[in-house]
Amino acid sequence: RKEVEQDPGPFNVPEGATVAFNCTYSNSASQSFFWYRQDCRKEPKLLMSVYSSGNEDGRFTAQLNRASQYISLLIRDSKLSDSATYLCVVNTNNNDMRFGAGTRLTVKP
Amino acid sequence: EAGVAQSPRYKIIEKRQSVAFWCNPISGHATLYWYQQILGQGPKLLIQFQNNGVVDDSQLPKDRFSAERLKGVDSTLKIQPAKLEDSAVYLCASSFSTGETQYFGPGTRLLVL
Repeated sequence: RKEVEQDPGPFNVPEGATVAFNCTYSNSASQSFFWYRQDCRKEPKLLMSVYSSGNEDGRFTAQLNRASQYISLLIRDSKLSDSATYLCVVNTNNNDMRFGAGTRLTVKP
Repeated sequence: EAGVAQSPRYKIIEKRQSVAFWCNPISGHATLYWYQQILGQGPKLLIQFQNNGVVDDSQLPKDRFSAERLKGVDSTLKIQPAKLEDSAVYLCASSFSTGETQYFGPGTRLLVL
């Protein structure tokens, strides 16, 4: 089993749609969790950290489910500019950062 | 604030040649990471430094890859000799300390022919 697994997609959604991505991780002792965004031929950039209580930043909501070992990202009211690859990142108990392969999102007019 | 700097941005070499990449992290960041990102995959951690010490190099192919951060600031990653499967983007990232937000440089795109 991979340490961090994501559905690669692609997810093709119309503008204004709500879309959700899940990410599962194998190490139950993982300490911290992040979502990064990577545009084509660019470096990854932090989108948001994921807290135990869940957190929201505008149209983006991140949730953590430790019991089932997954994190999720919900994007509401999708914009064309949300088109990118979304990378799930898990920090293990050894302070190793492990990236998922990414989920590709395309928002269409 | 200046971001993470990397050079070169692009490199084309033939297999069995050597290549080196350079990274200068954000000032004051103690932790520096080198990642390999193959097309269609997520970044794979090669090596992590805390100041000038290696924290994790479990995924570094040590028969051909080496990295150093002698003064605890900038870092060099070397491949010697290169193989076709080393074609990838090599990303450098830094963070204030381990486990905190990582900031990535623009990457070096390597093509091995």
